[in-house]
Amino acid sequence: NAGVTQTPKFQVLKTGQSMTLQCAQDMNHNSMYWYRQDPGMGLRLIYYSASEGTTDKGEVPNGYNVSRLNKREFSLRLESAAPSQTSVYFCASSLRGSGNEKLFFGSGTQLSVL
Amino acid sequence: LAKTTQPISMDSYEGQEVNITCSHNNIATNDYITWYQQFPSQGPRFIIQGYKTKVTNEVASLFIPADRKSSTLSLPRVSLSDTAVYYCLAALRGGKLIFGQGTELSVKP
Repeated sequence: NAGVTQTPKFQVLKTGQSMTLQCAQDMNHNSMYWYRQDPGMGLRLIYYSASEGTTDKGEVPNGYNVSRLNKREFSLRLESAAPSQTSVYFCASSLRGSGNEKLFFGSGTQLSVL
Repeated sequence: LAKTTQPISMDSYEGQEVNITCSHNNIATNDYITWYQQFPSQGPRFIIQGYKTKVTNEVASLFIPADRKSSTLSLPRVSLSDTAVYYCLAALRGGKLIFGQGTELSVKP
C-alpha cells in the first residue's frame, strides 16, 4: 500500500543539466499535482493534471514541463536546470480533483542545482 | 479561488489547547475549508475538512462561522509531536489547490 511514490529522493545537478522527477500513485486517483517548496516557504503549485491526458499550469510553471504518462504516473521535467530551481518537490494526487477532497502527498525529492 | 491568510507562527506549551485561525474573505459558495499538517522533510497530510459549523475528528476540531469568511483549527491538549506547519486551504475547481504560507506551530515542554 505505497500511496504516492516519488523518485529520486535526492538529486544534485549542475546548471544547464536536465532531469525528470518521477511520480506514481497506486490509489486509482484521477488528479495529480506537482508542488515545490523552498526553505521556510509554503508549497507552490507548478503543474497539475486533472485527469489522464490533460495538464495545466499552476502558479510557477516556467522552466518545467510535465507528462501524464498514464493514470498512475505524472512526471516533471527540468530541461535546463537553474540554481533558482533548488527546492523540495512534492507530488500529490486526489481522487477527482475537486477542492473537497484529500490530497495525498509523496515524501518529496530534494533537488540542488549548483 | 479563495486566498487564505494565517498567522506565520505560534508558540504553545504541552497540554494547552491551540487555536489557529485562517481568514478566507472571498470564499465561494461551494468552497470547502481543508487543513493540512506538515512535519519537516515530509509531505503535508490531511487533518480535517469542513463546510460550515463544526467538524470534529480524532485529531482536531474545525469551527466555521455562518459567514464562512474565516475558520479556526483547534488542537486539544497539544504535545511536542504536534510541532509542525499547519496549512489552511479553501479552494474548489479541481487542480489549482493553492497553499498559503502556513502557520508554524512550536510546542514547548
